[in-house]
Amino acid sequence: DAGVIQSPRHEVTEMGQEVTLRCKPISGHDYLFWYRQTMMRGLELLIYFNNNVPIDDSGMPEDRFSAKMPNASFSTLKIQPSEPRDSAVYFCASSFTGYNTEAFFGQGTRLTVV
Amino acid sequence: ILNVEQSPQSLHVQEGDSTNFTCSFPSSNFYALHWYRWETAKSPEALFVMTLNGDEKKKGRISATLNTKEGYSYLYIKGSQPEDSATYLCAFNQAGTALIFGKGTTLSVSS
Repeated sequence: DAGVIQSPRHEVTEMGQEVTLRCKPISGHDYLFWYRQTMMRGLELLIYFNNNVPIDDSGMPEDRFSAKMPNASFSTLKIQPSEPRDSAVYFCASSFTGYNTEAFFGQGTRLTVV
Repeated sequence: ILNVEQSPQSLHVQEGDSTNFTCSFPSSNFYALHWYRWETAKSPEALFVMTLNGDEKKKGRISATLNTKEGYSYLYIKGSQPEDSATYLCAFNQAGTALIFGKGTTLSVSS
């Protein structure tokens, strides 16, 4: 398996624009997590899914953020409209059974909103 | 609010030194404790997953211990090498929750 695949690797966008980040989890994994990495807060959990169903989205900072998982092999994180404070590295991770097995991370998407 | 604390935030050691870091987490409803190694420009990779009080795990020169009753875990690196330079993340979860990460300890090893 190629591991967790995220796209794009880098995204630069203007304030107010819509941004969509994509993630393909490892085949067979039933948990998918979206994290955001910033210097101030470290690695924050935004939302996670189990069997394509959102379980906890309490980490999503605002209504401008939304995430979907239409099937077991694809998830998106959308920011609309984007703001400069959204600039961060966004990681997607997946795991099997979720709770006591390791999470495998994608390479991350570095988002810059100018 | 679940909170994971790691200390120190950063440290710098000389090649050959042994070192250790601390991870503190809520002791109630414990399920699992993870350690990840995160190199610059890469993604975090799991080192250990520990679930039982008193667990000790070892991988080469790196080892970890777990105390779930008091809510802490130690990561030890014996004889640090420059290639050990990375950020070491601790993450924990209770039953039914996703992993909550600490902010990490950034280790720099000089040759």
